[in-house]
Amino acid sequence: GENVEQHPSTLSVQEGDSAVIKCTYSDSASNYFPWYKQELGKGPQLIIDIRSNVGEKKDQRIAVTLNKTAKHFSLHITETQPEDSAVYFCAANGATGRRALTFGSGTRLQVQP
Amino acid sequence: EPEVTQTPSHQVTQMGQEVILRCVPISNHLYFYWYRQILGQKVEFLVSFYNNEISEKSEIFDDQFSVERPDGSNFTLKIRSTKLEDSAMYFCASSVGQGVRDEQFFGPGTRLTVL
Repeated sequence: GENVEQHPSTLSVQEGDSAVIKCTYSDSASNYFPWYKQELGKGPQLIIDIRSNVGEKKDQRIAVTLNKTAKHFSLHITETQPEDSAVYFCAANGATGRRALTFGSGTRLQVQP
Repeated sequence: EPEVTQTPSHQVTQMGQEVILRCVPISNHLYFYWYRQILGQKVEFLVSFYNNEISEKSEIFDDQFSVERPDGSNFTLKIRSTKLEDSAMYFCASSVGQGVRDEQFFGPGTRLTVL
């Protein structure tokens, strides 16, 4: 089955700096890669996703890049703000059309004011 | 904005007891999911449900687990005889089930503690 590795496990940045979180996946059949933000006491919330037919997607301060050849994808947050502090999870679907998501282990992002 | 709701927020039970976790998916969604997250570990897929039947399940989802849509709004996860290792946060999610991008919306979770 699919295996998703995520790094780093913790990340501390100064407000206004950029943050980058990286994930690798094992199954080349994966074609859907969402990123979730989880705040304390809440469920994961989708912040951005990308399909395998594109290499990059951007939504305001958040961007995701995908390298299918290397089987890795990354989340980029620019101009970080204290409210970006949360745990971020990457995920992959493991097969074309499959809906069950395999999650990475999470990255705890702390934005220092 | 519509959201997935889950009850209870915290459930404490004795080992061997049955528990039922409840979820109300977003009303026009057709796919429903259960995931779990053991403290400090990854979110893990348990089961997906569509058109009143299981569409996919993981190795975790053994005979102790069952899912049901007892009426038009609720989606439940039953654990027949709980074990200590079932202690986790259980998340329900739902998705529209159509289109290329099928975003899964997660509920706030139920924390299950098995003593």
